[in-house]
Amino acid sequence: DAKTTQPNSMESNEEEPVHLPCNHSTISGTDYIHWYRQLPSQGPEYVIHGLTSNVNNRMASLAIAEDRKSSTLILHRATLRDAAVYYCILRGGGQNFVFGPGTRLSVLP
Amino acid sequence: DTAVSQTPKYLVTQMGNDKSIKCEQNLGHDTMYWYKQDSKKFLKIMFSYNNKELIINETVPNRFSPKSPDKAHLNLHINSLELGDSAVYFCASSRREPNEKLFFGSGTQLSVL
Repeated sequence: DAKTTQPNSMESNEEEPVHLPCNHSTISGTDYIHWYRQLPSQGPEYVIHGLTSNVNNRMASLAIAEDRKSSTLILHRATLRDAAVYYCILRGGGQNFVFGPGTRLSVLP
Repeated sequence: DTAVSQTPKYLVTQMGNDKSIKCEQNLGHDTMYWYKQDSKKFLKIMFSYNNKELIINETVPNRFSPKSPDKAHLNLHINSLELGDSAVYFCASSRREPNEKLFFGSGTQLSVL
């Protein structure tokens, strides 16, 4: 399973944009980039995923570098409810979802 | 309807006991998983199962065994519980294709006394 690297923690102010980086230099051509988050005392939940092009949904945007060796999850306006651990995961065909330590995002009021 | 449901939510038991955690998904997924999240909050995959193939994380003790009566269920049996088994256990499911999402249950907090 391909590996990702994320900062251990990040801080943001409420209502400001947040850019959460992820490095995945060993990504293969068929690996999808997935992002999940885990709110306190809950199971992880899906945020967004993509292959090559940038993606937007109602929760976030995913910006994927042209060489696909890195990506950035963008929360356009952080709220207190966005405080969570964010996980960046690569998944190829038939592979499991392998979670790293993720980035703990703190949102300050 | 809850997509992935697991029971019980809390499980407190004595060392040496045998216990089970049940998991059901109503999403029609072909692959189910068990994850363990310890006190340091690392999420580690224990098993993945797609009704033909069981993949076991080699670090999982053989006291842990998944049992799948059908595609929608993957129960976790734990024999001879130890203190170190205390953790939150999450069931999850997905389709096998790499662009498919993973759905988690709400977790079972296991405390071994």
